[in-house]
Amino acid sequence: DADVTQTPRNRITKTGKRIMLECSQTKGHDRMYWYRQDPGLGLRLIYYSFDVKDINKGEISDGYSVSRQAQAKFSLSLESAIPNQTALYFCATSLGFGGEAFFGQGTRLTVV
Amino acid sequence: AQSVAQPEDQVKVAEGNPLTVKCTYSVSGNPYLFWYVQYPNRGLQFLLKYITGDNLVKGSYGFEAEFNKSQTSFHLKKPSALVSDSALYFCAVRPQGGKLIFGQGTELSVKP
Repeated sequence: DADVTQTPRNRITKTGKRIMLECSQTKGHDRMYWYRQDPGLGLRLIYYSFDVKDINKGEISDGYSVSRQAQAKFSLSLESAIPNQTALYFCATSLGFGGEAFFGQGTRLTVV
Repeated sequence: AQSVAQPEDQVKVAEGNPLTVKCTYSVSGNPYLFWYVQYPNRGLQFLLKYITGDNLVKGSYGFEAEFNKSQTSFHLKKPSALVSDSALYFCAVRPQGGKLIFGQGTELSVKP
């Protein structure tokens, strides 16, 4: 079983719809992240959380919200999806300050 | 602003030749530095990291990276490239303060 699991893996949704991407981890890590990947732009940080009570905006948080329901769960919501949110989304976890990040398999989201 | 730069969008090498994928960073303090690899339709996989100590860091699959504080660089290297090394490579930095920042990625192509 994967240590970092993202659901769904693929999703097509219509403009204006609300959508939630979910991430769960079995690694026991305290830190969790949401990134989006676009060709030529690398990975850009949307939100990150260092523990259950800590939520921080990343560089591109507009149009997104997150919830850290438990140490193991971190969900990303698009309140009203728009086409330029079409991208590959990754959840990641890490332990403490120096730990490397472990990534989920990604969610490919298409907004039409 | 804190940032990571990978100056080459693409690197092409012949199998058996040495390879270098470049990374420079601009952050304050003493950051932690990372390299990740992404194969098609997969999440990112950790290769190696520098926290402190020896400037030459060895990682997975025969890769190594050299930290140069004066040039603020952390170039990824491998003495002899394999066709199976072809993938997208990301440099990342974690400045003091904790969030992980990625470069835009470099596509490595190794030809037989």
